[in-house]
Amino acid sequence: ELKVEQNPLFLSMQEGKNYTIYCNYSTTSDRLYWYRQDPGKSLESLFVLLSNGAVKQEGRLMASLDTKARLSTLHITAAVHDLSATYFCAVVTSGTYKYIFGTGTRLKVLA
Amino acid sequence: DTGVSQNPRHKITKRGQNVTFRCDPISEHNRLYWYRQTLGQGPEFLTYFQNEAQLEKSRLLSDRFSAERPKGSFSTLEIQRTEQGDSAMYLCASSLSTWGLAGGRYNEQFFGPGTRLTVL
Repeated sequence: ELKVEQNPLFLSMQEGKNYTIYCNYSTTSDRLYWYRQDPGKSLESLFVLLSNGAVKQEGRLMASLDTKARLSTLHITAAVHDLSATYFCAVVTSGTYKYIFGTGTRLKVLA
Repeated sequence: DTGVSQNPRHKITKRGQNVTFRCDPISEHNRLYWYRQTLGQGPEFLTYFQNEAQLEKSRLLSDRFSAERPKGSFSTLEIQRTEQGDSAMYLCASSLSTWGLAGGRYNEQFFGPGTRLTVL
């Protein structure tokens, strides 16, 4: 069965610094999604990655997908406090409609 | 507000009681999903509908759980004989499966605010 792992699980970083969150998955998939969740809130869609080599950017966040390595990255540039949240990746096994979410990365940006 | 809505937002019940939650998806979305999320974990897939057809159901879902989407619009999730282990946030999401209308964000899921269930 498809497994999705994220690392790190917790990330505390200073404002202005750069960092990358990794999402690894265990079986073939051609779609990967990134979400943000604030404490006590629901999930907000960030990026939809549909093909190998896909790269999407919005603001200080950039996501990429390497389907051959079964790896997606979420890169944070010059972090600001407002980016503090939990970030999830989700993968859909080819031929199913079942989204499997990673364990999440809890990001805290310190002023 | 044209987002996904869920009712009730909070539900406290005693063990052994039945509960029902409702989800109203974004009106033009043909796909609907239910998830369960416990503290510190990612959402866990429960079931999926395309229009009114339930096409996939998690093996983790016991016989006490049932979901319907009778007219391909709103959906209900019922839990019978609740147990303390059912305490969680229940999330509903909807999506549009049509490539051309999704602006390249194929099957992007939009989540509702969730129903927080506490079983005493």
